[in-house]
Amino acid sequence: DGGITQSPKYLFRKEGQNVTLSCEQNLNHDAMYWYRQDPGQGLRLIYYSQIVNDFQKGDIAEGYSVSREKKESFPLTVTSAQKNPTAFYLCASSMRQGGRWGTEAFFGQGTRLTVV
Amino acid sequence: AQSVTQLDSHVSVSEGTPVLLRCNYSSSYSPSLFWYVQHPNKGLQLLLKYTSAATLVKGINGFEAEFKKSETSFHLTKPSAHMSDAAEYFCVVSDPDSGYSTLTFGKGTMLLVSP
Repeated sequence: DGGITQSPKYLFRKEGQNVTLSCEQNLNHDAMYWYRQDPGQGLRLIYYSQIVNDFQKGDIAEGYSVSREKKESFPLTVTSAQKNPTAFYLCASSMRQGGRWGTEAFFGQGTRLTVV
Repeated sequence: AQSVTQLDSHVSVSEGTPVLLRCNYSSSYSPSLFWYVQHPNKGLQLLLKYTSAATLVKGINGFEAEFKKSETSFHLTKPSAHMSDAAEYFCVVSDPDSGYSTLTFGKGTMLLVSP
């Protein structure tokens, strides 16, 4: 089955630790995204990548880092610099059609990160 | 720049009655618009999309939305609510001619369905 796989589903982190959230897609999509979701705030863009070895900051990139070494993988690291990391994290991907973006994004099932 | 405003944070309906979830947008280009649904602790599922074809868009599970450029609106409707429709709904805009692939989300509308 084609889709986006996020792991783990639940993650607990001690304060001061870095953690990495995994996102893999087998849809052959060009673009991948990381969103953070907090109650009542919708989805906010952390980072996105439209091509391998290139990525762009979103609206709330501080305290996060990413890499895009392979087309199918876009891991997100939540660093100790992120002051309030407890949230639901969603990974997504989309494709380019006819040279244009704007097609729908496909989402993974999310990772819930809790700082303990 | 693009933005989305979902006009209601919560909407409550009775099962079998119509559903209306309101969405206004702003965009510098000819936008693509989407509605997604999210059940608790799950990812987002696409309900329907508008990409400059027919202005009345039909989606899954009986939902539809109408793109009204003059009103910059893209409201989501369903003739008869079902208990399984209870979830959070997001209106989303993108600008396919901008050269960027990013999507902008509204803050969401929680749909509550009572028996």
